[in-house]
Amino acid sequence: RKEVEQDPGPFNVPEGATVAFNCTYSNSASQSFFWYRQDCRKEPKLLMSVYSSGNEDGRFTAQLNRASQYISLLIRDSKLSDSATYLCVVNKRFSGNQFYFGTGTSLTVIP
Amino acid sequence: GAGVSQSPSNKVTEKGKDVELRCDPISGHTALYWYRQSLGQGLEFLIYFQGNSAPDKSGLPSDRFSAERTGGSVSTLTIQRTQQEDSAVYLCASSPRGQGTEAFFGQGTRLTVV
Repeated sequence: RKEVEQDPGPFNVPEGATVAFNCTYSNSASQSFFWYRQDCRKEPKLLMSVYSSGNEDGRFTAQLNRASQYISLLIRDSKLSDSATYLCVVNKRFSGNQFYFGTGTSLTVIP
Repeated sequence: GAGVSQSPSNKVTEKGKDVELRCDPISGHTALYWYRQSLGQGLEFLIYFQGNSAPDKSGLPSDRFSAERTGGSVSTLTIQRTQQEDSAVYLCASSPRGQGTEAFFGQGTRLTVV
């Protein structure tokens, strides 16, 4: 079983729409959680960390459910510039700080 | 400060030749990771260095792949006798020691084996 699983999409949404991505992780020992964004032919970059209490950064909201081993990312009022692949990332401290990446969810925001 | 630096940015090599890819992590970052990303695919873990600990080589796809990290800083990924299926973008990332810290990526080396 993969450490991190994501729906690959693609998600095609109109500008202004709200879209949610989900991710599950297999190991309950996982300690830290992140969403990364990867533009076409570019390296992944941190979008936001995910905290236990949930956190918001402008139009982006991340939530963590440890009981269900589930992470989500909500994007409100989608912009054309949000088009990218969103990677769910899990960090297991006690395996030596290893990072595990999901395969990514592709989002295209349509005018 | 400077980010993670990788070189070369692009490499075209003939099948059967050896290649070396270099990664210069962010100064002070003790953790260094190599990933591979084929076109349209997710990130495939290759190898992980943490300080002076033995590296986690569990992701290396074959014995043609090796990596070292000298002096806890610069890392070199070597692919011997390259094959066409080795064509991919090789991404290096570094991270400070400690829980909850993000990984910072270099721009990658695009390897094409012809």
